[in-house]
Amino acid sequence: DIVMTQTPLSSPVTLGQPASISCRSSQSLVHSDGNTYLSWLQLRPGQPPRLLIYKISNRFSGVPDRFSGSGAGTDFTLKISRVEAEDVGVYYCMQATHFPLTFGGGTKVEIK
Amino acid sequence: EVQLVESGGGLVQPGRSLRLSCTASGFTFGDYAMTWFRQAPGKGLQWVGFIRNKASGGTIEYAASVKGRFTISRDDSKSIVYLQMNSLKTEDTAVYYCTRDRVTTDYWGQGTLVTVSS
Repeated sequence: DIVMTQTPLSSPVTLGQPASISCRSSQSLVHSDGNTYLSWLQLRPGQPPRLLIYKISNRFSGVPDRFSGSGAGTDFTLKISRVEAEDVGVYYCMQATHFPLTFGGGTKVEIK
Repeated sequence: EVQLVESGGGLVQPGRSLRLSCTASGFTFGDYAMTWFRQAPGKGLQWVGFIRNKASGGTIEYAASVKGRFTISRDDSKSIVYLQMNSLKTEDTAVYYCTRDRVTTDYWGQGTLVTVSS
């Protein structure tokens, strides 16, 4: 199985300041069709997961542009340009290139 | 508006069965693969399995932890995807989510809680 390693485990951030989460996969996530199926999901307390970013850098409908994704191959990053109170939650990277689909361990974003 | 609504969760004894349903609306259900995930209490997300749409063969893939015990099926006429869970174990306790598509997983339901306990 592909191991997804996320860092940091926790990210205390001051409101209005940036946050960055790293995700590294144990193998390349480039699919045979040429796409890289790396997504970022947000879990807010009491709510279901929400897709933020798909295929490395594509922002899903309705996701604020303060969220951005980048990376290639095995190294990926989610950035929040200016953290807002509503961004508090746990963020997961997920790969869907290889079976089984696997997730990073999660990064908790909280306000300092 | 795309909506996914899971149902069928509840308390069940180890070794028993439960069937979850996910009713979809707001899109052409038959055009999409559908995926099940779960999240155990205090744990991260875990992929359970998915079913392709009929145009892609309708084939199914399962996580190793549920293969042989869980069965995913779909009824395109009713826009429902099912998760039949047999021989349930305490470690299957989780909130179960259905999602649209197998790689983008763009829309998620609210989830349904399954508790396996004696």
